[in-house]
Amino acid sequence: DGGITQSPKYLFRKEGQNVTLSCEQNLNHDAMYWYRQDPGQGLRLIYYSQIVNDFQKGDIAEGYSVSREKKESFPLTVTSAQKNPTAFYLCASNQRGTSGSNEQFFGPGTRLTVL
Amino acid sequence: QKEVEQDPGPLSVPEGAIVSLNCTYSNSAFQYFMWYRQYSRKGPELLMYTYSSGNKEDGRFTAQVDKSSKYISLFIRDSQPSDSATYLCAPARSNDYKLSFGAGTTVTVRA
Repeated sequence: DGGITQSPKYLFRKEGQNVTLSCEQNLNHDAMYWYRQDPGQGLRLIYYSQIVNDFQKGDIAEGYSVSREKKESFPLTVTSAQKNPTAFYLCASNQRGTSGSNEQFFGPGTRLTVL
Repeated sequence: QKEVEQDPGPLSVPEGAIVSLNCTYSNSAFQYFMWYRQYSRKGPELLMYTYSSGNKEDGRFTAQVDKSSKYISLFIRDSQPSDSATYLCAPARSNDYKLSFGAGTTVTVRA
């Protein structure tokens, strides 16, 4: 089955700790994305990557870092600098450069709670 | 001003009612218009996709786009309890595979 997996499903972090959220896709998509979702605010783009070894900041990148060493993997690190990290984090991917639909495929999400 | 405006609701309707959802946007370069459905604690999934202005129907769902007024709508006919979810509009520019999401409208269909 092709798709996007995220792990863990639930994550608890103490204040001051860095945590890394995993995102893996086997859809052979070039582009991958990280979003943060808070109640009533929709999806806000944190980082995105169009190709391996390249990534760009989204709208709310402060306090987050990413890497894209492999096409299928795009991990997100939530650092201690992120002031309010408790949220639902979603990873997505789509195929770069296709005309027509820009459909993004989403993973099941990781709910991060800071204690 | 946000690029995409969507009333977060919540919206509660009885089973069988017509649900009307809408978004407005400010960027005239948007050409592709998507609606995603998100069940509680799950990732969003694509529900409807339209290109430019016009209507598109898929079963009980109809998507409308009016580019002249920068207004997009989703209608759900004969709503079912299984339609209870958050619906997010997502317009996009041509040749730009990033999406801009609305805040999402939470819909509850009462049995």
